Amino acid sequence: GQQVMQIPQYQHVQEGEDFTTYCNSSTTLSNIQWYKQRPGGHPVFLIQLVKSGEVKKQKRLTFQFGEAKKNSSLHITATQTTDVGTYFCGIGANAGKSTFGDGTTLTVKP
Amino acid sequence: SAVISQKPSRDICQRGTSLTIQCQVDSQVTMMFWYRQQPGQSLTLIATANQGSEATYESGFVIDKFPISRPNLTFSTLTVSNMSPEDSSIYLCSVEAGVPNSYTFGSGTRLTVV
Repeated sequence: GQQVMQIPQYQHVQEGEDFTTYCNSSTTLSNIQWYKQRPGGHPVFLIQLVKSGEVKKQKRLTFQFGEAKKNSSLHITATQTTDVGTYFCGIGANAGKSTFGDGTTLTVKP
Repeated sequence: SAVISQKPSRDICQRGTSLTIQCQVDSQVTMMFWYRQQPGQSLTLIATANQGSEATYESGFVIDKFPISRPNLTFSTLTVSNMSPEDSSIYLCSVEAGVPNSYTFGSGTRLTVV
C-alpha cells in the first residue's frame, strides 16, 4: 500500500517560534489528513486536503498540499505551550483504511 | 462527527490472560477500525470490523490473537488474547468522521502486560 514519510521526528522550539512538519509520498495522493495527539490523548482530526496546491488555515495553523499531491506540510506560527503534542499525517486508501506517518512530536519551552 | 466511548481506559494484565476492549458509537456506522499504537510510535491498523461479517485483518494480525466482534452498527469489541509483554500498547477504535477518509478515534485503552 501507499507509504508516507514524515519529518522531523521531534521538534523542540521556544514559545513564539514557528514549527513545520512535512509528509512526503513517492506516489500521488488522492487526499491527506492531519491529526493532533496531545500527550496521553488520542488522535484528533484537524483537516483534510484534497486539491493540488491547496492551502487551508486554522488560526495559527497553515496546511498545504503540494502541486504534485505528493507532499504536504503543517506550519504553526508563533507556537504556544498548548500546541505541544504529536502531529500525524494520514493518507486515505481503499475500504476506508488510512496509513499514518510516524508523527512529529512538538515540545514547546515557555 | 461521531462520538466514541471506549473502555477500559487502561488496564494492567497478567501474561497469558485476555482483555476485551469495547467501543460504543453514538451513531450507526458501517465500518469500525481497530488500531494499535506502541509507545512513541504511529498508528497501525489491526483490522476492520464489519457488521454481519468477519473482521478483515491486516498483515501481521490474526483472528486467534485479536478476535473482534461487531454485533450491530454502533458497537464493537477487540480482544487481546493470551497476552505477552509485547502486547503492551495503546489500542484505539475509530470510525470514519464526517469528512471521507478522516477518522474519529476513541480515547484509547492503555494496556500494560506484566
